[in-house]
Amino acid sequence: AQTVTQSQPEMSVQEAETVTLSCTYDTSESDYYLFWYKQPPSRQMILVIRQEAYKQQNATENRFSVNFQKAAKSFSLKISDSQLGDAAMYFCAYRSARAGTASKLTFGTGTRLQVTL
Amino acid sequence: ETGVTQTPRHLVMGMTNKKSLKCEQHLGHNAMYWYKQSAKKPLELMFVYNFKEQTENNSVPSRFSPECPNSSHLFLHLHTLQPEDSALYLCASSQVSQLNTEAFFGQGTRLTVV
Repeated sequence: AQTVTQSQPEMSVQEAETVTLSCTYDTSESDYYLFWYKQPPSRQMILVIRQEAYKQQNATENRFSVNFQKAAKSFSLKISDSQLGDAAMYFCAYRSARAGTASKLTFGTGTRLQVTL
Repeated sequence: ETGVTQTPRHLVMGMTNKKSLKCEQHLGHNAMYWYKQSAKKPLELMFVYNFKEQTENNSVPSRFSPECPNSSHLFLHLHTLQPEDSALYLCASSQVSQLNTEAFFGQGTRLTVV
């Protein structure tokens, strides 16, 4: 079974600064997807960024980028130029790429990000 | 309407009550999911429905009973719950035929069992 570990329960960053959230995972599969989801106080989980394991290039979405280290099974999220609206719970998630599988996600415990002025 | 909609947003029920949570998706997806989110624990997958057929039940107690009448609607029927069942229940949907598509989530139902 796959596991996802987020070792930082809380992080804080000043507005306009950069912060990195950590995530490690364990799997015996070679092909899979990794995600970072954001859950603001509205409670709706919103996809921030996605990485395919077969791609060596790190995914980037505007101010959000990842550092994907497949051998180390590490998948960290970097938020640049942090904004007040980035304050939320961030969840790292894993999904198998086996054909025919539904999008069953395995989540970490989350990191609460505070953004200060 | 677009996206995934869950009702009610909040629910307080006694241990002897029977209630239902509803989820509706307007994305044309063919798979739907129930997740349980408890404080300081990872989200737990409860049930998976693929083309209206239940394909996964993660050892969920029988006091939780899912129903999927069609690809757009998913229910979670609740009866004789325990206080430890208090949590945020999230519904999600995705398109199974496309592995690279993400799961879209609703805003959840905050359930309190008293």
